[in-house]
Amino acid sequence: EDQVTQSPEALRLQEGESSSLNCSYTVSGLRGLFWYRQDPGKGPEFLFTLYSAGEEKEKERLKATLTKKESFLHITAPKPEDSATYLCAVRTETSGSRLTFGEGTQLTVNP
Amino acid sequence: DAGVTQSPTHLIKTRGQQVTLRCSPISGHKSVSWYQQVLGQGPQFIFQYYEKEERGRGNFPDRFSARQFPNYSSELNVNALLLGDSALYLCASSLREYQETQYFGPGTRLLVL
Repeated sequence: EDQVTQSPEALRLQEGESSSLNCSYTVSGLRGLFWYRQDPGKGPEFLFTLYSAGEEKEKERLKATLTKKESFLHITAPKPEDSATYLCAVRTETSGSRLTFGEGTQLTVNP
Repeated sequence: DAGVTQSPTHLIKTRGQQVTLRCSPISGHKSVSWYQQVLGQGPQFIFQYYEKEERGRGNFPDRFSARQFPNYSSELNVNALLLGDSALYLCASSLREYQETQYFGPGTRLLVL
């Protein structure tokens, strides 16, 4: 069974304090790892897709990386508006279009 | 361009009732998936439809059903509601069936009393 584990569950940062969120996965045949941002009461907002180990994607203050066992979402000099829950999801060779999500990391950035 | 839209935004039902949730995908997208998100957890896959056919089903009881229309919009039906069905129901669309990023709508918040 595909498993996705995110850590930490919650993270508090001061504005400008860089950090990383972790997403570890145990799957058979990864066909894509996805990062989403979710604000309270809203639907997940797509951030990145990574397909192979060594791949990196960047968007503003966010950078996602992928290894064979985990992915990191690096947040550089965060701002209060980066506060949200960050979700990681995987698609595998046997899951079709089904995404298996982790529980998410709730990020709070204090001014 | 409009994103994925869902209706209604909020819904309150009592146990035993039935509910229908609606989703319109991004224009040109032919695949629609439904997810249930309980507070504090990640979304759980319920169904995927592509070209009006069911392509995947998650571990949910038969009380849950869905369909996709010729215009690619979709409905999720839940019968005999239980308190545990209270959740945010998310619809996601993608251009094709596989290897595509899924874009989510704002969700429908269902409360079962």
